[in-house]
Amino acid sequence: QVQLVQSGAEVKKPGASVKVSCKASGYTFTGDYIHWVRQAPGQGLEWMGWINPSSGGTNYAQKFQGWVTMTRDTSISTAYMELSRLRSDDTAVYYCARERLMVVTANGDYYGMDVWGQGTMVTVSS
Amino acid sequence: EIVLTQSPGTLSLSPGERATLSCRASQSVSGTYLAWYQQKPGQAPSLLIYGASSRATGIPDRFSGSGSGTDFTLTISRLEPEDFAVYYCQQYGSSPSYTFGQGTKLEIK
Repeated sequence: QVQLVQSGAEVKKPGASVKVSCKASGYTFTGDYIHWVRQAPGQGLEWMGWINPSSGGTNYAQKFQGWVTMTRDTSISTAYMELSRLRSDDTAVYYCARERLMVVTANGDYYGMDVWGQGTMVTVSS
Repeated sequence: EIVLTQSPGTLSLSPGERATLSCRASQSVSGTYLAWYQQKPGQAPSLLIYGASSRATGIPDRFSGSGSGTDFTLTISRLEPEDFAVYYCQQYGSSPSYTFGQGTKLEIK
């Protein structure tokens, strides 16, 4: 079945970097964008950016430009999200999600994030 | 950046009742990219509605989405116990940027 499996929980000190992986299976990895979304404890969802696994092209939310890097390794169908210069308020669950073209209509193309990873808890603490 | 404001923040209802959740955008959103997600405690979000009104695969028909421009609505016609969760709307803006609303918690009354 189609799934995204993320790497395990991480504990980091302030100022360090963290790299989270997201391994895709059950579909053509290069066919759909992968997004990264984070959720601080008790808070809502925050979009971080996407990567096009086919080209490696990326688009980051303005807030994260300069300190997030999204990459991929097509040989193992895995996307990565690296966040540098970690602070305590980066403590969150980080999710990857596949964005799929759901349907093409006369009114336009409809997309949705239809498959999500299980989430990776990143704790930043001294 | 388009800001999505969801209301109410918390909605307390009983099973069998009808739920109406609102998502208002700070500027007009293309209906082709307005989605709704459900998140249960300890789980990843899951796609409910895409294109403002189309149900994702496997989503029961008691869930429906509507709206256009700046006002969108998610309606659950008759609440089942498993529907009590947090719901988020999401949009894809004219620049390639995505935003989520802050969420509506649907709780059992």
